[in-house]
Amino acid sequence: DAGVIQSPRHEVTEMGQEVTLRCKPISGHNSLFWYRQTMMRGLELLIYFNNNVPIDDSGMPEDRFSAKMPNASFSTLKIQPSEPRDSAVYFCASSRREGGTGEQYFGPGTRLTVT
Amino acid sequence: ILNVEQSPQSLHVQEGDSTNFTCSFPSSNFYALHWYRWETAKSPEALFVMTLNGDEKKKGRISATLNTKEGYSYLYIKGSQPEDSATYLCALVKQGGKLIFGQGTELSVKP
Repeated sequence: DAGVIQSPRHEVTEMGQEVTLRCKPISGHNSLFWYRQTMMRGLELLIYFNNNVPIDDSGMPEDRFSAKMPNASFSTLKIQPSEPRDSAVYFCASSRREGGTGEQYFGPGTRLTVT
Repeated sequence: ILNVEQSPQSLHVQEGDSTNFTCSFPSSNFYALHWYRWETAKSPEALFVMTLNGDEKKKGRISATLNTKEGYSYLYIKGSQPEDSATYLCALVKQGGKLIFGQGTELSVKP
């Protein structure tokens, strides 16, 4: 099994540009999670999906952030327009079980730098 | 605001020492508790998911206990090795499935 796949691994962009982060969960996993890691706030849950349906997006910072999961094998996190304070590492994780009771398997993360 | 507190923030031990750290959470919001191990420049790796009061789980030299009534979990490492050096994160799962992570305990094991 390839594990959770994220792309790109690194992204450098200018303020105001649109950024799209991609995630492929482990096959057969029912839940998918997007996290942001910063020095100040640690690891924060942004949004999670159960069976491709968004369940809780209360962690999404503002309207500039959006996430989709069009099918069981693909999800995107989009930031438009990007700002320097969005610079962080963004992790995607998937789990076999719904509801947060299953182990989560994390991808390698995307390091985003907005200049 | 739901706070998940971990202590200590950092810990330095010698190889062979046994150590433990704490995760505290509001007991009224408990649904499940996760422990993760996070090595520098890597991704968090699941250690345990605990759901029942009194749960004890073990994986090799690492074990964890859970007290949901008083709102804490302990993680123990027996005979620490340099490869145990990492940040150990706990996360509280609320009803509905949302995870709230603590800030982590950074463990450094010196040979």
